[in-house]
Amino acid sequence: HSALTQPASVSGSPGQSITISCTGTNSDVGGHNSVSWYQQHPGKAPKLIVYEVIYRPSGVSNRFTGSKSGNTASLTISGLQAEDEANYFCKSYRQTSSTWVFGGGTKLTVL
Amino acid sequence: QVQLVQSGAEVKKPGASVKISCKASGYSLSTYHVHWVRQAPGQGLEWMGIIKHSGDATDYAQNFQGRITLTRDTSTDTVFMDLTSLTSDDTALYYCARDFAWAIDSWGQGTLVTVSS
Repeated sequence: HSALTQPASVSGSPGQSITISCTGTNSDVGGHNSVSWYQQHPGKAPKLIVYEVIYRPSGVSNRFTGSKSGNTASLTISGLQAEDEANYFCKSYRQTSSTWVFGGGTKLTVL
Repeated sequence: QVQLVQSGAEVKKPGASVKISCKASGYSLSTYHVHWVRQAPGQGLEWMGIIKHSGDATDYAQNFQGRITLTRDTSTDTVFMDLTSLTSDDTALYYCARDFAWAIDSWGQGTLVTVSS
């Protein structure tokens, strides 16, 4: 019942691109197109930035791009801005148990 | 405008239970599933369970099986989360959240539950 695996931290300079990975199994990430990504600033509720692996909700910048290969999903943020500094979480549906599971979270630092 | 408004902060003793309410406005609870997610201080997000929009079906995370019950009152568009046998490890901010396309597109403001003797 473990969480999805994310790197604890990533960093990048303004204008650069970074990628955050989210690794699961073929029961969750690899077996279902339900991966979503959330941005959370300190003291705030999470905000949905990608759903169903690749789709962005209305109002979310096109600098955020989701993708998936096998059991690993990825979130790429291009043209890093200071306001992107936050914690990022992935989430997936786990078919074998009909439950959802989050990744452990990744702290993004904009240098 | 979609809003989920949760009940206020709670302080409980170990072994007690807590019941948190989550009232929807701007949409009907009967049209979307509702997740419950918690976040311990300084920690990540932990999925707890879901109550489906039709038929009151529920699914719970293995970590909470036997301790959590999700219910809803369609007449008031309110969902409830009941968690029993509290320990200090249950001290956290608890969120209700609306399901959208296998994701969560709207969150309540969070309810802080503190478990302390």
